Amino acid sequence: AQSVAQPEDQVNVAEGNPLTVKCTYSVSGNPYLFWYVQYPNRGLQFLLKYITGDNLVKGSYGFEAEFNKSQTSFHLKKPSALVSDSALYFCAVSSTGANNLFFGTGTRLTVIP
Amino acid sequence: GAGVSQSPSNKVTEKGKDVELRCDPISGHTALYWYRQSLGQGLEFLIYFQGNSAPDKSGLPSDRFSAERTGGSVSTLTIQRTQQEDSAVYLCASSLGAGTVYEQYFGPGTRLTVT
Repeated sequence: AQSVAQPEDQVNVAEGNPLTVKCTYSVSGNPYLFWYVQYPNRGLQFLLKYITGDNLVKGSYGFEAEFNKSQTSFHLKKPSALVSDSALYFCAVSSTGANNLFFGTGTRLTVIP
Repeated sequence: GAGVSQSPSNKVTEKGKDVELRCDPISGHTALYWYRQSLGQGLEFLIYFQGNSAPDKSGLPSDRFSAERTGGSVSTLTIQRTQQEDSAVYLCASSLGAGTVYEQYFGPGTRLTVT
């Protein structure tokens, strides 16, 4: 069975400070891990993914995430937050042979000017 | 190129009525997914189409829900005898190939309200 946990419903960070949005997962086999962002009144946008290879993955808008197998985590990070990063962030997991993504419940990020 | 489009953007219907939601995937994308997003919850997988293969219907919550994909392109999600718990945003996504190794591109969604 697959599951994703985003332990924080809400994350607040000051503009210019580093941000972290947490995600842990459980999956049978090797995980495929994704981050998506949802801006108000817009569809989900793909940010980045980990399939295999380098544990540090870089994505759109300066975001990156690190796959940590021992901690079964895939936290999303950005060195310097922008007000425009304020949105709802979803972590998702899948695995080889699976037909769909399993999404977390989302974390609302607010960047304070 | 054009992204995934969905129609209508909003739908209000009375309990017991049937509704049809439409999805136009990105041209050339062989895989198509339907998800449901309820308030305060993550996305719930409903159904998956890949090429001409039989769809994966394992996420459909009841037999009132059905979907089809014609000609490997446009898809329609039908909900019969709608109930208030069906109220949600229904999201369609498409991807370039089979399997979740490919990132999914989402449409803007259809907000369904059952009164």
